[in-house]
This record gives sequence, structure tokens and C-alpha cells, in this order.
Amino acid sequence: QQQVKQSPQSLIVQKGGIPIINCAYENTAFDYFPWYQQFPGKGPALLIAIRPDVSEKKEGRFTISFNKSAKQFSLHIMDSQPGDSATYFCAASKRGSTLGRLYFGRGTQLTVWP
Amino acid sequence: DTEVTQTPKHLVMGMTNKKSLKCEQHMGHRAMYWYKQKAKKPPELMFVYSYEKLSINESVPSRFSPECPNSSLLNLHLHALQPEDSALYLCASSQPLTTGWGTIQYFGAGTRLSVL
Repeated sequence: QQQVKQSPQSLIVQKGGIPIINCAYENTAFDYFPWYQQFPGKGPALLIAIRPDVSEKKEGRFTISFNKSAKQFSLHIMDSQPGDSATYFCAASKRGSTLGRLYFGRGTQLTVWP
Repeated sequence: DTEVTQTPKHLVMGMTNKKSLKCEQHMGHRAMYWYKQKAKKPPELMFVYSYEKLSINESVPSRFSPECPNSSLLNLHLHALQPEDSALYLCASSQPLTTGWGTIQYFGAGTRLSVL
């Protein structure tokens, strides 16, 4: 059973567009929500992360919006560039998890056309 | 330095072969992970070592045998694999969480394994 649900599965935008990737969870024990970016032939790399006492976090062109009551969070990429074309995974880990075990969404393959 | 190094990058093996994957990190992290990733899928956790002891085994078949010789090294020994074991094998490391929230996992580039 997928503990973190991610949509859409794939996304195509023009350069400069604002792709939005959505994730949802049910387990209220989750208290850390990272996003990983993976390029072909590479391992995932942490992009940005948020905790549930914050509703929004920005790092450069990447923004996470978090809705604790709805148990949803999303990634927005401002002024998207062809170099942002990659697979994006949302994830969650549980309060008190000393090993930070990650529960991944299924991933979104983003293509940004020049 | 936030690098996790995995060798080899590519490996082709027959079903009767024995091979090993290697992972190394010098960030002082005391938790190390093995993941399996199929194409267009998220990483699936296989094993977790914490302070060189196996903490989590996600019911992985015994043809996969992990080993953590020291705090910087993690190996995955492979024997009698099946074609369906072909995948990208990722290693990651992190610092076990003692206070606060959220521990960052740093991933290597992976070993692309093909079983013939």
C-alpha cells in the first residue's frame, strides 16, 4: 500500500511555465516531507524539505506548499527550465524515526520544452 | 563533501555468478541503506545499517547478503540472482536522528545490474 500518493505521473511544460506536483498522505505520524530530484543515470538528490509546522518553504525557484489539515503538500517550480527535466519524488518520514526511513511517492517525470 | 561512491557503475552477471556491490562514504554518517530501483519506479528499501549493525531487512531474499565492514563501507553480496533482480541498486547514508526532525539521506549514483 502506497503511503504517499503522488500525481501526476508525468508532466510536460514549456520553458518558463510553473509545473505543480501534488502529494497526499494519511499517516499523521509523518512529520518530515522531503522532495528528491533524480536525473537519468543518477541517484536521487534532496531538493527541498518541509516540516508540518510551516505552510510554505522556498528555495530558489522551488517552493513547497503544505496543508496539514488536508494532509497534502505540493512542489511548484517557478520559471521552469529544460535543465529541470527530471523525475521528482515526494517522500515522508515518521516522527521518532531515528533512521529517517523514507516512504516515497511513485514519482513524476517532468519534461520542460525549450 | 556530500558524496556517496558506488562501484561498479555497471555490472552484468549470470544467474550462477557471485558478485559484490560496494558503497563508500566519508561524511561520518552512521546509517547506511541499500535500495533497489526499477525503471520509472521509486527506490525500494532493502536494508538499513545503523552503527554497523543491521537494523532493517525488508524481507529481502537471501540471495542478497549485506555487509557493513566499518562505518564508511557497505557491501551487497549477490549470489544466484534471477533476471527479475535486474535494476539500479542505490546506496544512501545519513546521520541517525537524535534530536530535531528530518534526516537527509544522501544517495550514490547507483550500480546498474543486469542478470542474464
